[in-house]
Amino acid sequence: QQQVKQSPQSLIVQKGGISIINCAYENTAFDYFPWYQQFPGKGPALLIAIRPDVSEKKEGRFTISFNKSAKQFSLHIMDSQPGDSATYFCAASTDYKLSFGAGTTVTVRA
Amino acid sequence: DGGITQSPKYLFRKEGQNVTLSCEQNLNHDAMYWYRQDPGQGLRLIYYSQIVNDFQKGDIAEGYSVSREKKESFPLTVTSAQKNPTAFYLCASSIVSGSTEQFFGPGTRLTVL
Repeated sequence: QQQVKQSPQSLIVQKGGISIINCAYENTAFDYFPWYQQFPGKGPALLIAIRPDVSEKKEGRFTISFNKSAKQFSLHIMDSQPGDSATYFCAASTDYKLSFGAGTTVTVRA
Repeated sequence: DGGITQSPKYLFRKEGQNVTLSCEQNLNHDAMYWYRQDPGQGLRLIYYSQIVNDFQKGDIAEGYSVSREKKESFPLTVTSAQKNPTAFYLCASSIVSGSTEQFFGPGTRLTVL
């Protein structure tokens, strides 16, 4: 039973477009929300993370939007590039444990 | 060159055999973790360790065992009791246990023949 629900399962976007991935959670004890990027056959790497006292965080072309009252957060990839083609995981943490979403495979068409 | 190493990259085993996956880190991190990744399911926590000589079960510990005799090493044994062991196994570490960044190794793909 997944504590973090992620959608969509996959998406295709044209080069230069915007990719949006959504996540929702129930556990209000979560206090750290990272996004990881994973390429095939590799381990995930931290992309960007946010804490619940902030509603938005931007790093380059990647932005997290966080809605504490709705218990939802999302990743926006602006000006998507072919090199962004990967699987993206949202996660939420409380105490020691990271709970992951099921992942979204993003394909950027040139 | 700091980081997490996992070996081997690919591992094949016959049913009924135990197998040990290696994880080493030189980041001087206190906490280490083992995850299992299956298609469409994200990552699930098997075991974690906050300090040397101590570890706790995660969500799917049945059929697995670990040890933490040294700060930099956290090997995972997949026993014959694990009913469906074919998966991608990922080791991670963090400075302290808690809501901080976890750094992942490159993974070991285990296939049971």
